[in-house]
Amino acid sequence: DQQVKQNSPSLSVQEGRISILNCDYTNSMFDYFLWYKKYPAEGPTFLISISSIKDKNEDGRFTVFLNKSAKHLSLHIVPSQPGDSAVYFCAASDPAGANNLFFGTGTRLTVIP
Amino acid sequence: EAGVVQSPRYKIIEKKQPVAFWCNPISGHNTLYWYRQNLGQGPELLIRYENEEAVDDSQLPKDRFSAERLKGVDSTLKIQPAELGDSAVYLCASRRGLEQFFGPGTRLTVL
Repeated sequence: DQQVKQNSPSLSVQEGRISILNCDYTNSMFDYFLWYKKYPAEGPTFLISISSIKDKNEDGRFTVFLNKSAKHLSLHIVPSQPGDSAVYFCAASDPAGANNLFFGTGTRLTVIP
Repeated sequence: EAGVVQSPRYKIIEKKQPVAFWCNPISGHNTLYWYRQNLGQGPELLIRYENEEAVDDSQLPKDRFSAERLKGVDSTLKIQPAELGDSAVYLCASRRGLEQFFGPGTRLTVL
């Protein structure tokens, strides 16, 4: 049973525009959420995170929004750059499970120059 | 700070053969994870170590998979015998706080 879902397998955006990647989860016990970025032949790289006590966290061009009532989070990238082209994974941490991470299936972002 | 190191990066074997993967986590990180990532999927946890103790191996197929972290530093994941369905990327990660840091992975192809 997939507890973290990324329903869009791919997204294409023009350079300079906003990229919005979405993630839904089912387990209300998740208390920490992370986004990872993955380039081909590399391991996932941590990008940004948010605690469940917040609804927004911003780091440069990257902002993560959390809507706990909807069990939904999103990653905004503004402005998008060609180097942002990668697969983005949403992950959630379960404190009851010793903070093991549960990952979504990923969204492949392509930023078109 | 050096990252998580994994070897080999690629491995091709025939089914029923054994295979082993090695991981050296970031220095000072006591928690180590092994994940499997199938094509088009996110990483899925196989086993978690706290120092040398395997504290969560509920997702590890114990009939053919084994792992060890004898001195609480580097770790080895073994498959014996390998099956066609084991073809995947095997990722190692270590943790600081709530953030996990991943190695580049080993891409296993079982023919």
